[in-house]
Amino acid sequence: NAGVTQTPKFQVLKTGQSMTLQCAQDMNHNSMYWYRQDPGMGLRLIYYSASEGTTDKGEVPNGYNVSRLNKREFSLRLESAAPSQTSVYFCASSQDYSGNTIYFGEGSWLTVV
Amino acid sequence: AQSVTQLGSHVSVSEGALVLLRCNYSSSVPPYLFWYVQYPNQGLQLLLKYTSAATLVKGINGFEAEFKKSETSFHLTKPSAHMSDAAEYFCAVSDTGGFKTIFGAGTRLFVKA
Repeated sequence: NAGVTQTPKFQVLKTGQSMTLQCAQDMNHNSMYWYRQDPGMGLRLIYYSASEGTTDKGEVPNGYNVSRLNKREFSLRLESAAPSQTSVYFCASSQDYSGNTIYFGEGSWLTVV
Repeated sequence: AQSVTQLGSHVSVSEGALVLLRCNYSSSVPPYLFWYVQYPNQGLQLLLKYTSAATLVKGINGFEAEFKKSETSFHLTKPSAHMSDAAEYFCAVSDTGGFKTIFGAGTRLFVKA
């Protein structure tokens, strides 16, 4: 059982470049999330999709866009990468938006130089 | 509004000693409370979850947490620390009232031989 799979695992970008982080879950979950994790700052929600067809901003959405492609897939796009976006990114999913266990991917390490 | 506070960004214990990680929450409705663990270079995984069935919740790897409504606390304990417990631990609060899950800032546990 793969759970939540995100790619790529590691990426180095130059300032101004764009890239998309891909995420897929095989648990038939309705809700999906993108978080970033930075030292000393815990987990911060970037965007979430409470259900297929909807997306909403989280705590730190600036500089990012998302697409809920279908029930399984939720991608995160950096249109013009900045050094401040150097972080570890986690995709996650849960059965529903509130009250449920959240299942995380293994993380994507992104460095912007 | 919901919030969660973890007291102590770092906790250090000796192997075999009691582990106590503190978490306080606020919620306007009965909460669901979670502890997640993150091992190095991995995503978060569920350690245990409180959903109002029993105030003492047992989780994986010998951890347990007690829900104390009067103190708005959900502290995580383990009687005897093992080297493999070294990780970062996150407390989280949610509910079924439509509020998304809120994570604490995390507590890094160090276990000394």
